[in-house]
Amino acid sequence: DIQMTQSPSSLSASVGDRVTITCQASQDISNYLNWYQQKPGKAPKLLIYDASNLETGVPSRFSGSGSGTDFTFTISSLQPEDIATYYCQQYDNLPLYTFGQGTKLEIK
Amino acid sequence: QVQLVQSGAEVKKPGASVKVSCKASGYTFTSYGISWVRQAPGQGLEWMGWISAYNGNTNYAQKLQGRVTMTTDTSTSTAYMELRSLRSDDTAVYYCARATGAARDWGQGTLVTVSS
Repeated sequence: DIQMTQSPSSLSASVGDRVTITCQASQDISNYLNWYQQKPGKAPKLLIYDASNLETGVPSRFSGSGSGTDFTFTISSLQPEDIATYYCQQYDNLPLYTFGQGTKLEIK
Repeated sequence: QVQLVQSGAEVKKPGASVKVSCKASGYTFTSYGISWVRQAPGQGLEWMGWISAYNGNTNYAQKLQGRVTMTTDTSTSTAYMELRSLRSDDTAVYYCARATGAARDWGQGTLVTVSS
């Protein structure tokens, strides 16, 4: 099975900061990597698909990059409403999915 | 618009079974698969499995093999997830999601509590 290692597990940053989260796959997954945002009590929301494509309606301060085994998710200028937990998810071997462990983002 | 509406919260005793439903609307049900994902209190997302709404093919997470069954009823555009021999660590919010690669549409979640 493909394992996803996401880091950090938690992150504290100030409004306006640039925030970066990484996700590493245990084997080459090409660009089959998505990023989700989850706020407390809510279902996850897709932000980035296929490693670098911004989902419709998602603010442009969110971005993703990478391919193969190493991926990065970036918020260019942190806003108060971005407080959430973020997850990467691979789908290289559909229909099996694997999620990363999650990154809890807090405001400093 | 696409909607996935799940059944309500359940409280079950250890050893019992639970069946959660997920009624889809706003798209052609048989054109997509349905994934099930759960989240224990304070924990991350755990993928449970997937079912093709087209032909009923399934694929389950290894740790749940033998305890989980996913089905669909195409006449009502509803997917079902049954989990048997419930344990306390099955207490979680269970989500269905319309999924191919990316899961763009999710149900609201169903809380299943396993307690004696």
